[in-house]
Amino acid sequence: AQTVTQSQPEMSVQEAETVTLSCTYDTSESDYYLFWYKQPPSRQMILVIRQEAYKQQNATENRFSVNFQKAAKSFSLKISDSQLGDAAMYFCAYRPGTASKLTFGTGTRLQVTL
Amino acid sequence: EPEVTQTPSHQVTQMGQEVILRCVPISNHLYFYWYRQILGQKVEFLVSFYNNEISEKSEIFDDQFSVERPDGSNFTLKIRSTKLEDSAMYFCASSEGQGTNYGYTFGSGTRLTVV
Repeated sequence: AQTVTQSQPEMSVQEAETVTLSCTYDTSESDYYLFWYKQPPSRQMILVIRQEAYKQQNATENRFSVNFQKAAKSFSLKISDSQLGDAAMYFCAYRPGTASKLTFGTGTRLQVTL
Repeated sequence: EPEVTQTPSHQVTQMGQEVILRCVPISNHLYFYWYRQILGQKVEFLVSFYNNEISEKSEIFDDQFSVERPDGSNFTLKIRSTKLEDSAMYFCASSEGQGTNYGYTFGSGTRLTVV
């Protein structure tokens, strides 16, 4: 069974600084996708970034980038120039290439301070 | 930008009552999902639905749960006899396909409170 582990229940970053959220996963599949979702206090699930396992290049979306280490089964999210609006729960998620079900980690609550 | 719409945003129901949570997926999407998140816990998969039938379900999705696409636009989750432990945020999601580059779009959720 696939599992997703987020070992940091809470993180804090100062505005304009950079923070990295960790995620590891376990799978025997070779084809899969990884995602980071943001859940603000409104509790909506918002896709931040995604990575296809077959792509060696790390995905980037503006201030958000990932460090995808396939051999280590690690998928960390880096947020640069942090803003107050980045404060939220962040969930790492995994989906096998042959199925549609997402498996989520337990989340990391990110606080952004002035 | 197209959205997945869920109604109601908050539902309070008495234990033992039936409840129906409604979702309108994005119009050209073919795959539909329900997830739930008990307060303070992670998001858990319930069921996926494609071509008018369940394609996958989790162990949480027991006989108390059912899903339906009664018309061309709505996708519903029914809980027949609610229990206190069904209190959670329920998210509907849809996707255009299942393979490469088909991401999910989540709705903003329905908070179900069973009293």
